[in-house]
Amino acid sequence: AQSVAQPEDQVNVAEGNPLTVKCTYSVSGNPYLFWYVQYPNRGLQFLLKYITGDNLVKGSYGFEAEFNKSQTSFHLKKPSALVSDSALYFCAVRDNNAGKSTFGDGTTLTVKP
Amino acid sequence: EPEVTQTPSHQVTQMGQEVILRCVPISNHLYFYWYRQILGQKVEFLVSFYNNEISEKSEIFDDQFSVERPDGSNFTLKIRSTKLEDSAMYFCASNGNGGEEETQYFGPGTRLLVL
Repeated sequence: AQSVAQPEDQVNVAEGNPLTVKCTYSVSGNPYLFWYVQYPNRGLQFLLKYITGDNLVKGSYGFEAEFNKSQTSFHLKKPSALVSDSALYFCAVRDNNAGKSTFGDGTTLTVKP
Repeated sequence: EPEVTQTPSHQVTQMGQEVILRCVPISNHLYFYWYRQILGQKVEFLVSFYNNEISEKSEIFDDQFSVERPDGSNFTLKIRSTKLEDSAMYFCASNGNGGEEETQYFGPGTRLLVL
């Protein structure tokens, strides 16, 4: 069975400050890890993924995430937050290319001016 | 950029009625999925579909649900007799094989309200 934990329901940061949204996972095989963002009343928008290769992956809108196998973590980061980054962020894991995604509960990011 | 599309964007129905939610996955993708998100809750897997058959389904996906790929482009989710608790946002997703195709792309969703 696979699972994802996003330990923080809410993350608040000031604009211009760095942000981190945490994610840990559990999967039986090699993990396929994803971050998605959801704006109000909208769908899930892909941000970035880790399948293999460099542990630090870069994605859309200046976001990046670091895969840490020993800690089974895949935290989302951005060096300088924008108010427009305020949204609901989901971490997801799969254990193969054909498999279902299992999502975390989501973390609401609020960036204040 | 290719995208997954879904219709309708909103659907209101009476309890007990049948609904069909439609999706057009990205054209060269091979794996298709339905997920749902009850308001304010997490995204839950319903079913995956590959090579014209269901490859996996969750316990949510009971006999009231069915999926079909009636032609080369559409992928549908049918709820035979809707219940109040079926009210949710339903997302279709698809992915292919290798490289960028491994990313599971999601459609904009259909918001279903059962009265």
